Amino acid sequence: ILNVEQSPQSLHVQEGDSTNFTCSFPSSNFYALHWYRWETAKSPEALFVMTLNGDEKKKGRISATLNTKEGYSYLYIKGSQPEDSATYLCAFPGGATNKLIFGTGTLLAVQP
Amino acid sequence: EPEVTQTPSHQVTQMGQEVILRCVPISNHLYFYWYRQILGQKVEFLVSFYNNEISEKSEIFDDQFSVERPDGSNFTLKIRSTKLEDSAMYFCASKAVRSANSPLHFGNGTRLTVT
Repeated sequence: ILNVEQSPQSLHVQEGDSTNFTCSFPSSNFYALHWYRWETAKSPEALFVMTLNGDEKKKGRISATLNTKEGYSYLYIKGSQPEDSATYLCAFPGGATNKLIFGTGTLLAVQP
Repeated sequence: EPEVTQTPSHQVTQMGQEVILRCVPISNHLYFYWYRQILGQKVEFLVSFYNNEISEKSEIFDDQFSVERPDGSNFTLKIRSTKLEDSAMYFCASKAVRSANSPLHFGNGTRLTVT
């Protein structure tokens, strides 16, 4: 059974703080690792799809790194803003249809 | 930007009743999925659908569940006889290609409450 874990489960930071969280996934049969951002009352939205070991992707103040050999990815947010408050989900494609297997998510709350 | 739409946003039903959750995927997408999240738990895969048939389903997707694409645009999830434990947020998702590096596009979800 494929298992994807995220830590921490929740994080409270002040506006302007930089933060990071972790996703760990099976290191064998790796194809891709997805990060999604899920704001309350909205749909989960794709942030990054990472495929290569050592890959680093960036979107504004958010970036992510990937280590496929040891099975982890970090998501970094530089200078957190209240609008960054959301649940950040990572997901690993598996099975015949590349269905996504999700981690528990990290709930980020940024206080002004 | 095209988006996946789901209706209703919230459905309250009594145990034993049938419910149909509706989704309109992005028009040029070919692969469709249903996921659900029970409060406090992980987002769980239910079923994937391609070319008018189920391509993969989870253990959760038992005989009480069915999916249909009746008219080429709508994609529905039916629960025949709801149980209390079916209470969850149900998400529809679609994507254009099957590859592992193709992101899913999600709807806003339907919150199902079974009383």
